[in-house]
Amino acid sequence: GDSVTQMEGPVTLSEEAFLTINCTYTATGYPSLFWYVQYPGEGLQLLLKATKADDKGSNKGFEATYRKETTSFHLEKGSVQVSDSAVYFCALNKGGATNKLIFGTGTLLAVQP
Amino acid sequence: GAVVSQHPSWVICKSGTSVKIECRSLDFQATTMFWYRQFPKQSLMLMATSNEGSKATYEQGVEKDKFLINHASLTLSTLTVTSAHPEDSSFYICSALPAQNTGELFFGEGSRLTVL
Repeated sequence: GDSVTQMEGPVTLSEEAFLTINCTYTATGYPSLFWYVQYPGEGLQLLLKATKADDKGSNKGFEATYRKETTSFHLEKGSVQVSDSAVYFCALNKGGATNKLIFGTGTLLAVQP
Repeated sequence: GAVVSQHPSWVICKSGTSVKIECRSLDFQATTMFWYRQFPKQSLMLMATSNEGSKATYEQGVEKDKFLINHASLTLSTLTVTSAHPEDSSFYICSALPAQNTGELFFGEGSRLTVL
């Protein structure tokens, strides 16, 4: 079945370090791919998305490129801040009327000053 | 932005009792709401899809008599865990799809259930 695999955390970085959180997926067809972020005590928020191969989603300095050949959607940011500390979830949606999301396990990012 | 609120945010109950968790869309109408369950260090697992005014659609392996879902209005869905047992202890999260479907889901902050 469809699934999403992302790197286990926690990921601990110093401020201004480069961030990569790996995400790969297994799905038939052409899913849309998402990164959601959950800040402490809050609900999940959409960070960025890509709907077709080679699309790049970007928001708040974060980027991810939909790579069909490697079935990947790795999240990157060039210079992290303490305020980026959160749990990041990779997800896919095969579309249609249901809008069902399949999530990865989440990766906790802790950025130290 | 659109806000979804869950209540309670955490609840502790005795084994055998029932617990109701509410999911409200505060500033928009949601024709569809989703309920997820999350175990520690695991992904969010979709439990059911709830459409306003109709019966919920449950995912395979989810007991519909155990997890009662009601979506009586365009701004409220409820999840009732009936005759709760310690194995039902988990983090329950809802999300809502606005009636003006842009494809973006909005999530509640989650409700942590602990069954003693």
